[in-house]
Amino acid sequence: DSGVTQTPKHLITATGQRVTLRCSPRSGDLSVYWYQQSLDQGLQFLIQYYNGEERAKGNILERFSAQQFPDLHSELNLSSLELGDSALYFCASSVGGIGGETQYFGPGTRLLVL
Amino acid sequence: GIQVEQSPPDLILQEGANSTLRCNFSDSVNNLQWFHQNPWGQLINLFYIPSGTKQNGRLSATTVATERYSLLYISSSQTTDSGVYFCAVHDGWGANSKLTFGKGITLSVRP
Repeated sequence: DSGVTQTPKHLITATGQRVTLRCSPRSGDLSVYWYQQSLDQGLQFLIQYYNGEERAKGNILERFSAQQFPDLHSELNLSSLELGDSALYFCASSVGGIGGETQYFGPGTRLLVL
Repeated sequence: GIQVEQSPPDLILQEGANSTLRCNFSDSVNNLQWFHQNPWGQLINLFYIPSGTKQNGRLSATTVATERYSLLYISSSQTTDSGVYFCAVHDGWGANSKLTFGKGITLSVRP
C-alpha cells in the first residue's frame, strides 16, 4: 500500500459526459501528479500540482482540468468524454515538487467510456 | 523530450530462472524509478535509483548515469513476478520537468 488513495476504482459512463476522479496523497506529501495509461499511448504524465498550485503540465487535453484543494487532495475533471478517453488514470504524490523525487502511485481509477 | 527505451519487450521465464531487464535513456536524469505493474493494474515502486546499485530481496537494480542506462535483475523468479516492468525517468526541475515512462517489459513466469 503506497498511502495514496484514489476513488472511484471503476467508472463507466457515456460519451459526452463529465466525470471527476479524486486523489488523496500520502500524509505529508505536497505534490500530486496525474497520469493516464492507455493501450495506444502508454503511461503519460498529465499534470502536477504542488501545495495548491499548478507546477508542471504534460499531455493534458483542454477538456481535462485538475485542481488541488487546501487539504491537498486533488481532483481530475474529464469533460465531453470520448471513447478514446477510456484508460487507467493514476494519481501519484511526492514530498516536494521540484523534481527528482520518488513518486508513489495510487491504485488507479479505471474509466470506461461507452 | 527525453526518450526511454526498455528491452526486451517481452520475456518468458521458467520459475526459478534469473533475468535482466534493461532501460536506456537519451539524456541526463535526476530521478530513475523502476515499477512493477501487477495483473490487477497496480503500479508498485521497486526502486528509486538515479545512480548506483540497490538490492531488495531477490531484486536488485543498477543505474550507470554516465552511460545512460539502468538494469533490473530478478533472481530465482516466481510466478508472482509476472506483470509489466516500467522504467521511468525525470529529466528536469520545476515547471518543465516530468516523469517519462518507457513502454514496459512484459514478464511471464511459468510454473
